[in-house]
Amino acid sequence: QKEVEQDPGPLSVPEGAIVSLNCTYSNSAFQYFMWYRQYSRKGPELLMYTYSSGNKEDGRFTAQVDKSSKYISLFIRDSQPSDSATYLCAMSKYRDDKIIFGKGTRLHILP
Amino acid sequence: NAGVTQTPKFQVLKTGQSMTLQCAQDMNHNSMYWYRQDPGMGLRLIYYSASEGTTDKGEVPNGYNVSRLNKREFSLRLESAAPSQTSVYFCANRNGDIPNTEAFFGQGTRLTVV
Repeated sequence: QKEVEQDPGPLSVPEGAIVSLNCTYSNSAFQYFMWYRQYSRKGPELLMYTYSSGNKEDGRFTAQVDKSSKYISLFIRDSQPSDSATYLCAMSKYRDDKIIFGKGTRLHILP
Repeated sequence: NAGVTQTPKFQVLKTGQSMTLQCAQDMNHNSMYWYRQDPGMGLRLIYYSASEGTTDKGEVPNGYNVSRLNKREFSLRLESAAPSQTSVYFCANRNGDIPNTEAFFGQGTRLTVV
């Protein structure tokens, strides 16, 4: 079992819809959770990060962590065509240099 | 400021050839990483370096060597390229002085081994 599991998609939704992206993980030592966005032929860029369980909101984006279920989510409200990209979840253990990534989910927002 | 700069951006190699992928940062960060990205596989860690002069293996180190000669540069070497090493390679860095901060990525090197 890989440490981090993420459905690669692709996921296609109409403009304006709410998008839900998810990852599961197996190692309870992960404490720092990140979502990266990667546009085609570009490097990944940090979108959101959060520590431990709970929600964090930034504009149209909400990151959610449920440590008891080892499950993290990214919600995108009022999705826009410019949100079309690959979204990668990532996580690391406290004070550990290594960051482990999921496979990434390709998202298409249809105008 | 350029952030993380990778060279070259594209490369085609023949099987058995060698090459070095270069990565340089101007962010004064301690930690540097090399990842490879393949379709459906996400980002897989090849090697990382927590500080100048130290390197550690990641998930997929076989067939690669790295060198961290100074704080600014971290190179990845393929001694005898194989078609299985066709991939997009990303260099990244992170401020190791502050626990659990984000990683910053370069724009990638697209390598094809024929």
